[in-house]
Amino acid sequence: EDKVVQSPLSLVVHEGDTVTLNCSYEVTNFRSLLWYKQEKKAPTFLFMLTSSGIEKKSGRLSSILDKKELFSILNITATQTGDSAVYLCAVEAGDSGGSNYKLTFGKGTLLTVNP
Amino acid sequence: GAGVSQSPSNKVTEKGKDVELRCDPISGHTALYWYRQSLGQGLEFLIYFQGNSAPDKSGLPSDRFSAERTGGSVSTLTIQRTQQEDSAVYLCASSPDSGSPYEQYFGPGTRLTVT
Repeated sequence: EDKVVQSPLSLVVHEGDTVTLNCSYEVTNFRSLLWYKQEKKAPTFLFMLTSSGIEKKSGRLSSILDKKELFSILNITATQTGDSAVYLCAVEAGDSGGSNYKLTFGKGTLLTVNP
Repeated sequence: GAGVSQSPSNKVTEKGKDVELRCDPISGHTALYWYRQSLGQGLEFLIYFQGNSAPDKSGLPSDRFSAERTGGSVSTLTIQRTQQEDSAVYLCASSPDSGSPYEQYFGPGTRLTVT
């Protein structure tokens, strides 16, 4: 059974802190790993990672994938109160032909950034 | 305890046909969400239910899409006159409290292919 585990489950920091969120996975026929930010309802897509060791960066957010150790981290530097959200990790798996495609989500990390 | 279940897991249908997707949330969860994940793209929110009512239908992409929830439990997402662009994985999630997306538990998804 495919599995995605995120840690920590929740995290409280002060503005300006740097945070690292973790996502580990066990899936068959890995294709990509995705990070989302979810506030009120709809998760917002952040990154898609397919290759090991290549950092993806967007402003204060960055993420990297380690396909050997089967994990990814999401870093947020100089956190702001607007970063408070649930951060979801999901792993896309399936064969190259596109069949048996499956998306498995972790339960998320609740980040609270206090002023 | 059973998690969120969805059926069918895979559905192939011809363009123009109607399809009905089912979601069984975790027992006791008041909030239920439908999302769509197109291959290689981000997660798209469709609709959420609080009990049997749907306060937010803003994500439904067209009037061919509708959803209902009965008894505060099972939900069905119906797509009429399916089009090829409807092909995607349809994800359902439930949460004990719609006030926060935290503890949102996802089902395995229904992979819809419109030929």
